[in-house]
Amino acid sequence: EAAVTQSPRNKVAVTGGKVTLSCNQTNNHNNMYWYRQDTGHGLRLIHYSYGAGSTEKGDIPDGYKASRPSQENFSLILELATPSQTSVYFCASGDWGPSYEQYFGPGTRLTVL
Amino acid sequence: QQQVRQSPQSLTVWEGGTTVLTCSYEDSTFNYFPWYQQFPGEGPALLISILSVSDKKEDGRFTTFFNKREKKLSLHIIDSQPGDSATYFCAASGNAGAKLTFGGGTRLTVRP
Repeated sequence: EAAVTQSPRNKVAVTGGKVTLSCNQTNNHNNMYWYRQDTGHGLRLIHYSYGAGSTEKGDIPDGYKASRPSQENFSLILELATPSQTSVYFCASGDWGPSYEQYFGPGTRLTVL
Repeated sequence: QQQVRQSPQSLTVWEGGTTVLTCSYEDSTFNYFPWYQQFPGEGPALLISILSVSDKKEDGRFTTFFNKREKKLSLHIIDSQPGDSATYFCAASGNAGAKLTFGGGTRLTVRP
């Protein structure tokens, strides 16, 4: 079964600090995604990747960086965290096929004080 | 601006009733429309999806309808159960799903 894990599950950070959210998938999927979820906005795409070494900007990339060092791992980096980045972050993986599906992790709740 | 609009934001139905959720979109290049279901504390999971070449897809109690001319889609849940209480997201993509644009979500409560 598809497995996407995220760490940490909860994080409290200070304004101006650096935050790294990690994601690991054991599905051997080529594509990985980072979303943030806020009430009323649904899920918004921050960055995505089509494979190791590649990262692409999503719809709301400002203030975020991404890193895909391997097929399995995809990180989201907030170099200078701000309170507006307080949110729940979801990682997902997926691959091309007749019925494309993205498999989501359990989420990371980030609070920036 | 949201390219995919979803309504209502929240909905309460009685057990056994029919639930109808709707979405509209703007980008005419969108050709793949999945619905995701999310329970509290979990990530979303694919519920049902439809391609723009179809106008209806059924999976048990869940049916999604697609109207290309009006750029609208809907999700119908018949015989709604308390276990269906969750947040539902419609989404759209123009390249077979690789990059999804999500609607704002509908929080469904089914009362016994």
